[in-house]
Amino acid sequence: EAGVAQSPRYKIIEKRQSVAFWCNPISGHATLYWYQQILGQGPKLLIQFQNNGVVDDSQLPKDRFSAERLKGVDSTLKIQPAKLEDSAVYLCASSFSGTNTGELFFGEGSRLTVL
Amino acid sequence: DQQVKQNSPSLSVQEGRISILNCDYTNSMFDYFLWYKKYPAEGPTFLISISSIKDKNEDGRFTVFLNKSAKHLSLHIVPSQPGDSAVYFCAASQTGANNLFFGTGTRLTVIP
Repeated sequence: EAGVAQSPRYKIIEKRQSVAFWCNPISGHATLYWYQQILGQGPKLLIQFQNNGVVDDSQLPKDRFSAERLKGVDSTLKIQPAKLEDSAVYLCASSFSGTNTGELFFGEGSRLTVL
Repeated sequence: DQQVKQNSPSLSVQEGRISILNCDYTNSMFDYFLWYKKYPAEGPTFLISISSIKDKNEDGRFTVFLNKSAKHLSLHIVPSQPGDSAVYFCAASQTGANNLFFGTGTRLTVIP
């Protein structure tokens, strides 16, 4: 079974530039999550989708971050304009259900460095 | 506000001995707890979980203990193996809520 795919694995940009990350969840998983993991911290939820609808985006800095999951499968997370503090690993995860008692399957992450 | 805390950033254990990783939480509404393991350059992978209706869950070499009154859980690995060397994250959630709250992780090093 293919896992959660993310790209790019690494991205270096200058502040005020924009960046986009892509995620393809495990086939059949209705729930998709984007987490931000800053160095030395645990992952923090940015946004959760159930199919193509947003379930929770309360922690998403909406002035600069946006995410979409148009067809209920792939998802894109965009940052524009980037700030130095956005340097982190962006983890995409998926699960069969969105109950939070189910296991999350994580991708390898996209490491962003903002200079 | 860190609702899930792992106060030990690192732990070193000899191969064959027991590893004990600790986790504390502040939100009494949490009723489901998970441990994830993360190797470098990989995403976290699920290890073991426990519901608040239980105080122990065992899976092979891994056992998680939950003390609800103390708002504390621990992960025991016995015997520890060099391949267990990784960062371990504790996570907690509340039934019906969407978010999974992670701790800051403990880096376990198992010395051969």
